[in-house]
Amino acid sequence: AQSVTQLGSHVSVSEGALVLLRCNYSSSVPPYLFWYVQYPNQGLQLLLKYTTGATLVKGINGFEAEFKKSETSFHLTKPSAHMSDAAEYFCAVGSNTGKLIFGQGTTLQVKP
Amino acid sequence: DAGVTQSPTHLIKTRGQHVTLRCSPISGHKSVSWYQQVLGQGPQFIFQYYEKEERGRGNFPDRFSARQFPNYSSELNVNALLLGDSALYLCASSAHASGRGGYEQYFGPGTRLTVT
Repeated sequence: AQSVTQLGSHVSVSEGALVLLRCNYSSSVPPYLFWYVQYPNQGLQLLLKYTTGATLVKGINGFEAEFKKSETSFHLTKPSAHMSDAAEYFCAVGSNTGKLIFGQGTTLQVKP
Repeated sequence: DAGVTQSPTHLIKTRGQHVTLRCSPISGHKSVSWYQQVLGQGPQFIFQYYEKEERGRGNFPDRFSARQFPNYSSELNVNALLLGDSALYLCASSAHASGRGGYEQYFGPGTRLTVT
């Protein structure tokens, strides 16, 4: 069975500081991994995805994530946080049947 | 092009009632998936349809059902509503459904269902 664990339900950073949101996955097959962002009262927007190939994936809004098979991790980073980055972030793994399995989410707070 | 659209945006129902939620996928997308997002949690998979056929079903009771129409739009039906069905219901569309889930799923804004 596949699963996703997001470490830290709430992360707070200062504007301009590094953003690091942690995600670990469990999968019996090479995974497809995704990060989504959800702003209040909105649906989910795809930030980036990993399928195969380069393990460092760049997404929208300056975010990137690195797939580390040995650590079963797919952490999301951004060098410098903006106030507009405050939102809920979800890591997900694509299952064999095509459905997405999501983690519990991490709320990112950005302080001025 | 328009993104995924869902209707209604908000809905209030009473326990025991029935509800129908609607979704229109991105033009050209043939797969629609439904997810339930309870407050404070990640979305949980309910159904996936592709080319009008059910391709997957999550761990939800038979009170939940869905269908996909020839124009690829979809309906999610929930019977005998319970208080615990209160959630944001998200629809996602993708160009494909088969394979190992590497295709992007694009989400609509959701329908907020409140059961009282």
